[in-house]
Amino acid sequence: GAVVSQHPSRVICKSGTSVKIECRSLDFQATTMFWYRQFPKQSLMLMATSNEGSKATYEQGVEKDKFLINHASLTLSTLTVTSAHPEDSSFYICSARDKTRQFFGPGTRLTVL
Amino acid sequence: DAKTTQPTSMDCAEGRAANLPCNHSTISGNEYVYWYRQIHSQGPQYIIHGLKNNETNEMASLIITEDRKSSTLILPHATLRDTAVYYCIVTDASSGNTPLVFGKGTRLSVIA
Repeated sequence: GAVVSQHPSRVICKSGTSVKIECRSLDFQATTMFWYRQFPKQSLMLMATSNEGSKATYEQGVEKDKFLINHASLTLSTLTVTSAHPEDSSFYICSARDKTRQFFGPGTRLTVL
Repeated sequence: DAKTTQPTSMDCAEGRAANLPCNHSTISGNEYVYWYRQIHSQGPQYIIHGLKNNETNEMASLIITEDRKSSTLILPHATLRDTAVYYCIVTDASSGNTPLVFGKGTRLSVIA
Protein backbone atom coordinates (compact mmCIF):
# COMPACT_ATOMS: atom_id res chain seq x y z
CA GLY A 1 0.00 0.00 0.00
CA ALA A 2 0.90 3.65 -0.22
CA VAL A 3 3.29 5.14 2.31
CA VAL A 4 2.85 8.26 4.36
CA SER A 5 5.74 9.49 6.47
CA GLN A 6 5.89 11.94 9.35
CA HIS A 7 8.76 13.82 10.89
CA PRO A 8 9.67 13.98 13.66
CA SER A 9 8.34 10.85 15.32
CA ARG A 10 8.77 12.33 18.75
CA VAL A 11 9.38 15.86 20.00
CA ILE A 12 9.71 17.43 23.41
CA CYS A 13 9.53 21.18 23.68
CA LYS A 14 9.21 23.93 26.24
CA SER A 15 5.96 25.73 26.83
CA GLY A 16 5.59 28.75 24.57
CA THR A 17 7.66 27.44 21.70
CA SER A 18 6.42 26.36 18.27
CA VAL A 19 6.75 22.91 16.77
CA LYS A 20 6.47 21.94 13.10
CA ILE A 21 5.43 18.47 12.01
CA GLU A 22 5.91 17.34 8.42
CA CYS A 23 3.73 14.85 6.58
CA ARG A 24 4.76 13.42 3.23
CA SER A 25 3.07 11.05 0.81
CA LEU A 26 6.00 9.08 -0.55
CA ASP A 27 4.66 7.31 -3.60
CA PHE A 28 1.53 9.13 -4.61
CA GLN A 29 0.26 12.65 -4.96
CA ALA A 30 -2.31 13.85 -2.46
CA THR A 31 -4.36 16.93 -3.17
CA THR A 32 -5.96 16.43 0.23
CA MET A 33 -4.34 15.49 3.51
CA PHE A 34 -5.89 15.24 6.95
CA TRP A 35 -4.56 15.95 10.42
CA TYR A 36 -5.77 14.06 13.47
CA ARG A 37 -5.00 14.28 17.16
CA GLN A 38 -5.23 11.45 19.66
CA PHE A 39 -5.15 11.78 23.43
CA PRO A 40 -4.32 8.78 25.64
CA LYS A 41 -6.95 6.05 25.59
CA GLN A 42 -9.11 7.98 23.16
CA SER A 43 -9.90 7.63 19.49
CA LEU A 44 -8.51 9.75 16.69
CA MET A 45 -10.10 13.18 16.38
CA LEU A 46 -10.02 15.01 13.08
CA MET A 47 -8.44 18.44 13.41
CA ALA A 48 -8.38 19.75 9.87
CA THR A 49 -8.45 19.00 6.18
CA SER A 50 -5.44 20.29 4.28
CA ASN A 51 -5.91 21.18 0.60
CA GLU A 52 -2.97 21.73 -1.72
CA GLY A 53 -2.71 25.35 -2.71
CA SER A 54 -5.54 26.59 -0.56
CA LYS A 55 -6.48 27.21 3.05
CA ALA A 56 -7.11 24.34 5.38
CA THR A 57 -10.57 23.57 6.70
CA TYR A 58 -10.65 23.24 10.48
CA GLU A 59 -13.03 21.22 12.59
CA GLN A 60 -15.15 22.96 15.18
CA GLY A 61 -13.18 23.78 18.28
CA VAL A 62 -9.76 23.65 16.61
CA GLU A 63 -8.01 27.03 16.61
CA LYS A 64 -6.68 27.82 13.16
CA ASP A 65 -4.28 30.44 14.51
CA LYS A 66 -2.77 27.93 16.90
CA PHE A 67 -2.53 24.98 14.53
CA LEU A 68 -1.12 26.34 11.29
CA ILE A 69 -1.41 24.06 8.30
CA ASN A 70 0.47 24.52 5.05
CA HIS A 71 -0.05 22.18 2.12
CA ALA A 72 2.72 23.47 -0.11
CA SER A 73 2.85 20.65 -2.64
CA LEU A 74 1.05 17.47 -3.66
CA THR A 75 3.31 15.43 -1.39
CA LEU A 76 3.87 17.66 1.64
CA SER A 77 1.69 19.12 4.35
CA THR A 78 2.96 20.68 7.56
CA LEU A 79 1.29 21.29 10.90
CA THR A 80 2.79 23.93 13.17
CA VAL A 81 1.68 24.03 16.77
CA THR A 82 2.30 27.63 17.79
CA SER A 83 2.96 28.72 21.37
CA ALA A 84 2.59 25.18 22.57
CA HIS A 85 1.27 24.48 26.05
CA PRO A 86 1.20 21.27 28.09
CA GLU A 87 -2.42 20.65 27.10
CA ASP A 88 -1.26 20.41 23.47
CA SER A 89 0.72 17.31 24.36
CA SER A 90 -0.77 14.58 22.21
CA PHE A 91 -0.21 12.11 19.39
CA TYR A 92 -0.59 13.87 16.04
CA ILE A 93 -1.29 11.75 12.98
CA CYS A 94 -1.50 12.82 9.37
CA SER A 95 -3.25 11.04 6.57
CA ALA A 96 -3.47 11.19 2.81
CA ARG A 97 -5.91 9.71 0.32
CA ASP A 98 -5.38 8.09 -3.01
CA LYS A 99 -8.40 7.23 -5.16
CA THR A 100 -9.91 4.64 -2.86
CA ARG A 101 -8.14 4.54 0.48
CA GLN A 102 -6.83 6.76 3.21
CA PHE A 103 -3.31 6.06 4.43
CA PHE A 104 -1.90 7.17 7.74
CA GLY A 105 1.48 8.29 8.89
CA PRO A 106 3.19 6.71 11.89
CA GLY A 107 2.31 9.64 14.13
CA THR A 108 4.25 12.29 16.04
CA ARG A 109 4.22 12.27 19.81
CA LEU A 110 4.43 15.83 21.12
CA THR A 111 5.27 16.48 24.74
CA VAL A 112 5.16 20.06 25.95
CA LEU A 113 6.91 20.69 29.24
CA ASP B 1 -20.55 11.39 14.67
CA ALA B 2 -19.42 7.86 13.97
CA LYS B 3 -22.06 5.88 12.12
CA THR B 4 -21.04 2.51 13.50
CA THR B 5 -21.41 0.52 16.69
CA GLN B 6 -18.75 -1.93 17.83
CA PRO B 7 -18.15 -3.88 21.03
CA THR B 8 -15.68 -2.16 23.31
CA SER B 9 -13.38 -5.13 23.66
CA MET B 10 -12.90 -8.76 22.68
CA ASP B 11 -10.48 -11.54 23.49
CA CYS B 12 -9.30 -14.21 21.08
CA ALA B 13 -7.04 -17.20 21.58
CA GLU B 14 -3.91 -17.26 19.48
CA GLY B 15 -4.37 -19.33 16.34
CA ARG B 16 -8.15 -19.07 16.41
CA ALA B 17 -10.30 -16.95 14.15
CA ALA B 18 -11.17 -13.49 15.44
CA ASN B 19 -14.61 -12.30 14.39
CA LEU B 20 -15.20 -8.60 14.96
CA PRO B 21 -18.76 -7.36 14.46
CA CYS B 22 -19.89 -3.92 13.41
CA ASN B 23 -23.38 -2.45 13.14
CA HIS B 24 -24.05 0.30 10.62
CA SER B 25 -27.81 0.34 10.31
CA THR B 26 -27.97 3.85 8.80
CA ILE B 27 -25.53 3.15 5.96
CA SER B 28 -26.55 4.71 2.66
CA GLY B 29 -26.27 3.22 -0.80
CA ASN B 30 -23.04 4.95 -1.82
CA GLU B 31 -21.18 4.34 1.43
CA TYR B 32 -18.46 1.77 1.84
CA VAL B 33 -17.45 -0.15 4.95
CA TYR B 34 -13.78 0.29 5.84
CA TRP B 35 -11.76 -1.48 8.51
CA TYR B 36 -8.58 -0.11 10.00
CA ARG B 37 -6.58 -1.14 13.02
CA GLN B 38 -4.25 0.74 15.31
CA ILE B 39 -1.48 -0.96 17.16
CA HIS B 40 -0.36 0.90 20.25
CA SER B 41 1.45 4.18 19.49
CA GLN B 42 1.28 3.73 15.73
CA GLY B 43 -0.83 5.25 12.97
CA PRO B 44 -3.92 3.36 11.81
CA GLN B 45 -3.33 0.61 9.27
CA TYR B 46 -5.75 -0.14 6.44
CA ILE B 47 -7.13 -3.66 6.51
CA ILE B 48 -9.95 -4.05 4.01
CA HIS B 49 -13.03 -2.37 2.61
CA GLY B 50 -16.19 -3.33 0.75
CA LEU B 51 -19.47 -2.06 -0.61
CA LYS B 52 -21.85 -5.00 -0.62
CA ASN B 53 -19.95 -8.11 -1.66
CA ASN B 54 -17.79 -10.09 0.71
CA GLU B 55 -14.11 -9.31 0.34
CA THR B 56 -10.92 -11.16 1.18
CA ASN B 57 -7.29 -10.15 1.10
CA GLU B 58 -4.06 -11.33 2.66
CA MET B 59 -4.95 -9.82 6.01
CA ALA B 60 -8.61 -10.55 6.55
CA SER B 61 -12.08 -11.26 5.22
CA LEU B 62 -15.01 -8.89 5.31
CA ILE B 63 -18.53 -10.27 5.44
CA ILE B 64 -21.30 -7.76 4.77
CA THR B 65 -24.93 -8.73 5.38
CA GLU B 66 -27.31 -8.59 2.46
CA ASP B 67 -29.13 -5.57 3.89
CA ARG B 68 -25.69 -3.95 4.54
CA LYS B 69 -26.70 -2.99 8.05
CA SER B 70 -23.88 -4.93 9.65
CA SER B 71 -20.57 -6.53 8.83
CA THR B 72 -17.95 -8.80 10.36
CA LEU B 73 -14.20 -8.61 10.03
CA ILE B 74 -12.57 -12.01 10.22
CA LEU B 75 -8.92 -12.57 11.05
CA PRO B 76 -8.63 -16.27 10.19
CA HIS B 77 -5.69 -17.18 12.43
CA ALA B 78 -5.08 -14.51 15.02
CA THR B 79 -1.55 -13.96 16.29
CA LEU B 80 -0.25 -11.93 19.21
CA ARG B 81 0.70 -9.19 16.74
CA ASP B 82 -2.96 -8.76 15.85
CA THR B 83 -3.61 -7.24 19.27
CA ALA B 84 -4.87 -3.75 18.42
CA VAL B 85 -7.88 -1.46 18.31
CA TYR B 86 -10.01 -2.24 15.28
CA TYR B 87 -12.11 0.49 13.73
CA CYS B 88 -15.12 -0.05 11.47
CA ILE B 89 -15.85 3.09 9.46
CA VAL B 90 -18.61 3.88 7.01
CA THR B 91 -17.85 6.54 4.45
CA ASP B 92 -18.59 7.75 0.96
CA ALA B 93 -15.37 6.85 -0.81
CA SER B 94 -16.21 8.71 -3.99
CA SER B 95 -15.32 12.07 -2.49
CA GLY B 96 -11.59 12.70 -2.15
CA ASN B 97 -12.19 15.37 0.47
CA THR B 98 -14.15 13.21 2.87
CA PRO B 99 -12.03 12.20 5.86
CA LEU B 100 -12.48 9.04 7.85
CA VAL B 101 -14.31 9.62 11.12
CA PHE B 102 -13.24 7.27 13.87
CA GLY B 103 -15.46 5.86 16.56
CA LYS B 104 -14.16 4.11 19.64
CA GLY B 105 -13.42 0.82 17.93
CA THR B 106 -12.97 -2.64 19.41
CA ARG B 107 -9.91 -3.43 21.45
CA LEU B 108 -8.91 -6.96 20.43
CA SER B 109 -6.60 -8.84 22.75
CA VAL B 110 -5.06 -11.99 21.33
CA ILE B 111 -4.09 -14.30 24.15
CA ALA B 112 -1.43 -16.99 24.02
